[in-house]
Amino acid sequence: AQKITQTQPGMFVQEKEAVTLDCTYDTSDPSYGLFWYKQPSSGEMIFLIYQGSYDQQNATEGRYSLNFQKARKSANLVISASQLGDSAMYFCAMREHITGNQFYFGTGTSLTVIP
Amino acid sequence: GAVVSQHPSRVICKSGTSVKIECRSLDFQATTMFWYRQFPKKSLMLMATSNEGSKATYEQGVEKDKFLINHASLTLSTLTVTSAHPEDSSFYICSARGGKTSSGANVLTFGAGSRLTVL
Repeated sequence: AQKITQTQPGMFVQEKEAVTLDCTYDTSDPSYGLFWYKQPSSGEMIFLIYQGSYDQQNATEGRYSLNFQKARKSANLVISASQLGDSAMYFCAMREHITGNQFYFGTGTSLTVIP
Repeated sequence: GAVVSQHPSRVICKSGTSVKIECRSLDFQATTMFWYRQFPKKSLMLMATSNEGSKATYEQGVEKDKFLINHASLTLSTLTVTSAHPEDSSFYICSARGGKTSSGANVLTFGAGSRLTVL
């Protein structure tokens, strides 16, 4: 079974609007971490936001917030007030304690911000 | 914050030659580094885990004799693509657990990647 599932290969959003990128995960480990990375066309992977499995509140980092629904095993990324520079690939990732903190990545979502 | 430097960013080589890619942790020590391969518009595929002072751990299906990994120090890991062929053309990216989130969790910090083209 896939550890991380991103069902949206591509998304479009109007500039200044909010967008949600979906991510579901699969683990039986009670201790895990969820990450979102941004990969612009230059190729570098940029860390955006983190949510720990024991965190009670949804993580927020500036315009990024993580909608963490533990029972549904989802960790959607919400980008508010989209900017043209947000156009990139976005990868959801999970780290499990039980597998020695190995990282698993989803297949990514390509986001295009339309002016 | 933690920085991982990867060099070269782009390399073009002839078929049959070997290419070395370097991955350095600039402001932290990394006992473990990870090498990924990424095909266009695809996710990252973990190739191997590089361990300082010991042999790398390769993922299933990755040829260890083709992709030689050396982690000679706490700040440097190298990936050598030996006898490169056009099918080895890809984007290779390294990472290390060097950054921290605001809550203290480890973050994978990535190098900028190396785009290999084998003619």
